[in-house]
Amino acid sequence: DTAVSQTPKYLVTQMGNDKSIKCEQNLGHDTMYWYKQDSKKFLKIMFSYNNKELIINETVPNRFSPKSPDKAHLNLHINSLELGDSAVYFCASSQDRRGNTEAFFGQGTRLTVV
Amino acid sequence: GNSVTQMEGPVTLSEEAFLTINCTYTATGYPSLFWYVQYPGEGLQLLLKATKADDKGSNKGFEATYRKETTSFHLEKGSVQVSDSAVYFCALSTGRRALTFGSGTRLQVQP
Repeated sequence: DTAVSQTPKYLVTQMGNDKSIKCEQNLGHDTMYWYKQDSKKFLKIMFSYNNKELIINETVPNRFSPKSPDKAHLNLHINSLELGDSAVYFCASSQDRRGNTEAFFGQGTRLTVV
Repeated sequence: GNSVTQMEGPVTLSEEAFLTINCTYTATGYPSLFWYVQYPGEGLQLLLKATKADDKGSNKGFEATYRKETTSFHLEKGSVQVSDSAVYFCALSTGRRALTFGSGTRLQVQP
């Protein structure tokens, strides 16, 4: 069983479109995250949710909106896609918000905006 | 704020060579430190961690020691294998913050 699963794995779309990436974890974790990995492999936190409540919202354009229908799911919706949004997006989860707990990552969604 | 600095890659080694990947950090408070590994086309996996000063994390032959005096958490392995080829990320977390990652170091091991 996949612990943290993201769909789709690859997403190619045109500028200006709206798209969503879905994430689900079956680990019973309370906290979920979205990270963005750029072309140089640099990883940066975008959002964090704890029990469906937003707890971290880094400087991310308003076009990005996370949605957590329940604590096992954290979806990422992106409006009006731009070329610079091309990246690999990783969902992750951890047992709680404490800093010393391990984060489990999904396989990533490679988004290409053309 | 928090930050992590890793050595630039790629690091290219022959099989059975000794590996060191340097990592230093800046953090407020007392961070937990992690090494994550990313194999091609996959997500990140935790390799090892240390949660307080002088702790040594170890897994699959890799080791790293939490050095508070030098704010470092260098990754080492005595004998690398081709299967260790991947990108390695040093990371830290303080309090209730999400992970802060270094820029990653690509390791290429040649047979």
